[in-house]
Amino acid sequence: NAGVTQTPKFQVLKTGQSMTLQCAQDMNHEYMSWYRQDPGMGLRLIHYSVGAGITDQGEVPNGYNVSRSTTEDFPLRLLSAAPSQTSVYFCASSSTESSYNSPLHFGNGTRLTVT
Amino acid sequence: AQTVTQSQPEMSVQEAETVTLSCTYDTSESDYYLFWYKQPPSRQMILVIRQEAYKQQNATENRFSVNFQKAAKSFSLKISDSQLGDAAMYFCAYRVRGSQGNLIFGKGTKLSVKP
Repeated sequence: NAGVTQTPKFQVLKTGQSMTLQCAQDMNHEYMSWYRQDPGMGLRLIHYSVGAGITDQGEVPNGYNVSRSTTEDFPLRLLSAAPSQTSVYFCASSSTESSYNSPLHFGNGTRLTVT
Repeated sequence: AQTVTQSQPEMSVQEAETVTLSCTYDTSESDYYLFWYKQPPSRQMILVIRQEAYKQQNATENRFSVNFQKAAKSFSLKISDSQLGDAAMYFCAYRVRGSQGNLIFGKGTKLSVKP
């Protein structure tokens, strides 16, 4: 009963380093997304995908790349980390069968610090 | 722009008392779904309650209920018989039909429960 699994839970990067945040879900959900959470800002959408091979930008996409080669996985890549990317990152998924009323299932988040 | 406003950054309630968290939203669409999520210190995002915009009857889930006023675009959350475990950040969010599944979140209300 895994749901949405994010790894790692914590990460510290130096400015300019690259890394990939992993996200996997085992619920056969078509929709997957990445949000970042900053104090006083709520959750803001970075990128999303409505199926394998389909991705699109959200509200704050700059500095991040995504791909969706399988239904299960939706990794988020930081190509050159910046201190402004220090945040908590959440991956979420939902069924699109009744898309707008399906709740998002969230992973447990990744706390990323860029120094 | 579609927005969600939670006007109370912080609130406090005495254990066993009732508290109401406010939420207003702005959309020109008529078909959408509203959600309240809870985020305890563990960082996990937990769905509390949801409401379809076309349903006039307010949703309830045990001690949690909503007051949905569509014309006023208001979606407040009432927590009855507050418990220590209710202490958390609460986020209001909505999703429009046809929006590819993307949720728009408010900035959150931090609820403290006093014993």
